[in-house]
Amino acid sequence: GQQLNQSPQSMFIQEGEDVSMNCTSSSIFNTWLWYKQDPGEGPVLLIALYKAGELTSNGRLTAQFGITRKDSFLNISASIPSDVGIYFCAGHNNDMRFGAGTRLTVKP
Amino acid sequence: GAVVSQHPSRVICKSGTSVKIECRSLDFQATTMFWYRQFPKQSLMLMATSNEGSKATYEQGVEKDKFLINHASLTLSTLTVTSAHPEDSSFYICSAREGARTDTQYFGPGTRLTVL
Repeated sequence: GQQLNQSPQSMFIQEGEDVSMNCTSSSIFNTWLWYKQDPGEGPVLLIALYKAGELTSNGRLTAQFGITRKDSFLNISASIPSDVGIYFCAGHNNDMRFGAGTRLTVKP
Repeated sequence: GAVVSQHPSRVICKSGTSVKIECRSLDFQATTMFWYRQFPKQSLMLMATSNEGSKATYEQGVEKDKFLINHASLTLSTLTVTSAHPEDSSFYICSAREGARTDTQYFGPGTRLTVL
């Protein structure tokens, strides 16, 4: 099946540091999306990527759709405490597949 | 835009009872909605795809007679957990796909179901 490998599983960083996480797959996806989930809440869409090579920013967040269409990364610059949460990547062809998530902890 | 609501946010029920969860797209029409289940510290598991006016498509291993899905309008889908048991306790999340962008899903806030 279309498995997504998301890494790292968890990150513990200091406030102000930059963060990078990525997703890879053995299959090609037509769309890559990044979501953030806070405890007890549903995932919130951060960035959607629709074209190979596309680089998109949303405030301090930047995500790229890999040229091979098999990977994507998400960067967060100058992290703040409210960035804490679980970040999920998702790839879409006929249906949506999710990565296992990256749990981010930001120490003030 | 693209707001999805769920109701209730939390529900506690006795074993053997049925529970209905509503998912609404508030500012767009959703021909397709999705129901997910999420266990603690795990990713989202797709249970079924709900298409307006037709029967839902269930993922392998999901009992369609236990998890009844109805998508009667372009803004409302419901999931009914029938004869609930403690092992059905979980976080249920719906999402809706905006028609113009068929590959972007917007999620509801989730429903925490606890079966005693």
